[in-house]
Amino acid sequence: ETGVTQTPRHLVMGMTNKKSLKCEQHLGHNAMYWYKQSAKKPLELMFVYNFKEQTENNSVPSRFSPECPNSSHLFLHLHTLQPEDSALYLCASSQDLPGSPTGELFFGEGSRLTVL
Amino acid sequence: DAKTTQPPSMDCAEGRAANLPCNHSTISGNEYVYWYRQIHSQGPQYIIHGLKNNETNEMASLIITEDRKSSTLILPHATLRDTAVYYCIVNSWGAAGNKLTFGGGTRVLVKP
Repeated sequence: ETGVTQTPRHLVMGMTNKKSLKCEQHLGHNAMYWYKQSAKKPLELMFVYNFKEQTENNSVPSRFSPECPNSSHLFLHLHTLQPEDSALYLCASSQDLPGSPTGELFFGEGSRLTVL
Repeated sequence: DAKTTQPPSMDCAEGRAANLPCNHSTISGNEYVYWYRQIHSQGPQYIIHGLKNNETNEMASLIITEDRKSSTLILPHATLRDTAVYYCIVNSWGAAGNKLTFGGGTRVLVKP
């Protein structure tokens, strides 16, 4: 148990569906992240939020839409996905203070997405 | 692209020390070296990080060369549960938000 909870753990969706992934952290951290892990590929950073503000969008297609309503919650809204978007989506959080070494990232268990 | 180079895989014997190398020849002065591991079907787990001094915690030791161009993660007494992919990452600090870039890592198999 890392203090970062992701739901659902598994999701199967069609290409025309709209679904959302949810991440919640109970650690009091100020930064939250979405990573994508495809089969046989390294983890790819998708989005970074710091104090609810998006500070990084790593050229992610618009069919992935993040939302960070507060520092404890992060969503990834999915619509009109492609089969190649099937992957493990990992959420993480950290306590990052400007001018200080990067805080340790705490990862959730991931949401495994299959797009049919 | 990842700024580190690691061997793709290595085996080690249970109970023995596992020494995982990492090359980061282009590391800059304000970049730290981080190690994470990912056990199958789980999210990555932080192990240790350092700037230039050697570091030790309850999980591992980190040895950084004097020129900082390479480092070694040492698992002092490997167990079967240490079987995982180990990632060496360099990252700077200062700006808000973390941008850890994961490479392919080293797949470590601990054998009985």
